[in-house]
Amino acid sequence: QVQLVQSGSELKKTGASVKVSCKASGYSFTNYGINWVRQAPGQGLEWMGWINTNTGNPTYAQGFTGRFVFSLDTSVNTAYLQIRGLKVEDTAVYYCARAVYGDYLFDSWGQGTLVTVSS
Amino acid sequence: EIVMTQSPATLSVSPGERATLSCRASQTVSTNLAWFHQKPGQAPRLLIYGASTRATGVPARFSGSGSATEFTLTISSLQSEDFAVYYCHQYNNWPRTFGQGTKLEIK
Repeated sequence: QVQLVQSGSELKKTGASVKVSCKASGYSFTNYGINWVRQAPGQGLEWMGWINTNTGNPTYAQGFTGRFVFSLDTSVNTAYLQIRGLKVEDTAVYYCARAVYGDYLFDSWGQGTLVTVSS
Repeated sequence: EIVMTQSPATLSVSPGERATLSCRASQTVSTNLAWFHQKPGQAPRLLIYGASTRATGVPARFSGSGSATEFTLTISSLQSEDFAVYYCHQYNNWPRTFGQGTKLEIK
């Protein structure tokens, strides 16, 4: 069955970096893009952008440029989200979600990774 | 950016009753509208896509309707597992956007 399994919770200090992984299984990895969605504590869902698993080309939403980096390792069907220069306001659950090329509907999500940033 | 506005923010309904949730888009999204629900500590789950098509495994008590800018999610007879936060999401335009959520709580 389709699964997106994310790496575990992270506790970081301000200014540090973190890299969250999203390992896909149960489907052809390059048939779907991988999106990233942020959910701050007690808040709603915010789309961060996506990465094309065929070309590796990332697209970042406004507000997620500069410190946020999407990458892939297609040899292990895994997508990554790296956040550099962490700020307290980056504290959130980060989700990956696959979306089929064409309509880009998010039909399957990872379980989420909590990143906590403290000063 | 298309702004998605959900109403109400909180809906209190008794088990077995009907719940109706609304979502409005600031400009047309055609029928490229999805509904998700999210239980505490869990990832969102796709319920409805194409405004009215139930995702695989979603019970028939969930139905979606609407097009362009006005959408509705109806749950015909609420079960205990339906109490959660519901989000609408447009995938017609970039950037992708979500509504702020409707919390469906037990009355």
